[in-house]
Amino acid sequence: AQSVTQLGSHVSVSEGALVLLRCNYSSSVPPYLFWYVQYPNQGLQLLLKYTTGATLVKGINGFEAEFKKSETSFHLTKPSAHMSDAAEYFCAAGGTSYGKLTFGQGTILTVHP
Amino acid sequence: NAGVTQTPKFRVLKTGQSMTLLCAQDMNHEYMYWYRQDPGMGLRLIHYSVGEGTTAKGEVPDGYNVSRLKKQNFLLGLESAAPSQTSVYFCASSGQIIYRGHPYEQYFGPGTRLTVT
Repeated sequence: AQSVTQLGSHVSVSEGALVLLRCNYSSSVPPYLFWYVQYPNQGLQLLLKYTTGATLVKGINGFEAEFKKSETSFHLTKPSAHMSDAAEYFCAAGGTSYGKLTFGQGTILTVHP
Repeated sequence: NAGVTQTPKFRVLKTGQSMTLLCAQDMNHEYMYWYRQDPGMGLRLIHYSVGEGTTAKGEVPDGYNVSRLKKQNFLLGLESAAPSQTSVYFCASSGQIIYRGHPYEQYFGPGTRLTVT
């Protein structure tokens, strides 16, 4: 069974600092990988997705993620945090079986002024 | 174009009561999903549908039933609510699963916050 692990349920950074949210997946075959963001009291919104090909994926709002097969990781980064980035972030894997996704536990990002 | 909408936004039930959550999408999507979100557990798939008239069990289906009588609607029912079903419920939809090797994203509704006392 596929699983997705997000290291760190809470991450706190200062405005302007690097954002790094970690995601590891378990699978013998690299699945499709996604990062979603959830702002308070809202639904999930797609940040970016990895399919095949380029291992560095760029998303919205300046976020990007790098797929590393050898490490089974898909970490999310942003060079400079903004107050508006405060939200909960979910890593998800799957999509090949009726589009079903397996989600990680989520990481709450707090940005301090 | 409203995307995915969910009704109601909030609901409080007593143990043993029943209710139905409605999800509607106006994107002509084939695939629809119901998830529940609990703190520290991410989103877990309850049931899903691959087209009008079809439903299938997800990861945590017990205590829930679903129906997809119309392509645009996906209903989630709780026949006898239990406190363990206190959660935030999200509906999502997707057009195609994979197109030219690229997976389609799921579009999420705003959620329904359900409390069972």
